[in-house]
Amino acid sequence: QQQVKQSPQSLIVQKGGISIINCAYENTAFDYFPWYQQFPGKGPALLIAIRPDVSEKKEGRFTISFNKSAKQFSLHIMDSQPGDSATYFCAASIRVDSSYKLIFGSGTRLLVRP
Amino acid sequence: SQTIHQWPATLVQPVGSPLSLECTVEGTSNPNLYWYRQAAGRGLQLLFYSVGIGQISSEVPQNLSASRPQDRQFILSSKKLLLSDSGFYLCAWKKGLVSYEQYFGPGTRLTVT
Repeated sequence: QQQVKQSPQSLIVQKGGISIINCAYENTAFDYFPWYQQFPGKGPALLIAIRPDVSEKKEGRFTISFNKSAKQFSLHIMDSQPGDSATYFCAASIRVDSSYKLIFGSGTRLLVRP
Repeated sequence: SQTIHQWPATLVQPVGSPLSLECTVEGTSNPNLYWYRQAAGRGLQLLFYSVGIGQISSEVPQNLSASRPQDRQFILSSKKLLLSDSGFYLCAWKKGLVSYEQYFGPGTRLTVT
């Protein structure tokens, strides 16, 4: 019940296209949903995040869509660029004792072709 | 601004040898600290987290242990490495209970031979 399921595993998009990555969860105790971007050999970088009381959040070319009733959220990358080629992880946060921990999806490897 | 450091950046160790990876955070106090492991081409597995000095919670009690001797220092250890301990080890921090955002360090690439 603490899993976060992410799809697709890999994605190829042409430059200028829209990249869409989806995640689903079961546990309604999750209360914060971030997306991370990771380049090879680097640590993941926080990209954008959303709370469950909001249905959409946009930051530049990156948008999170959140469907609380369906327990699903997705990342949309508009006007995808070759520099966006990276692995993307969704995650969900849950309170544990006096802290929070993140449960990560399995990742999506995005390749944007020039 | 806050900065998180990890060292070493890369490490090659023989099976059965000990391990010590260090993580330090600058520019904040009393952070929540986390250790993750990432196998090649895989997701992130939470190993340990800590809310304060000497307070360690274990998610995957296998061949590894963690310690927090100082407020902004988090150490990952093993007495005897296994081949399966190979991976990319990431430290992360968060501002206690006041925020959700978790920030990762640059990672340590461990290869056990």
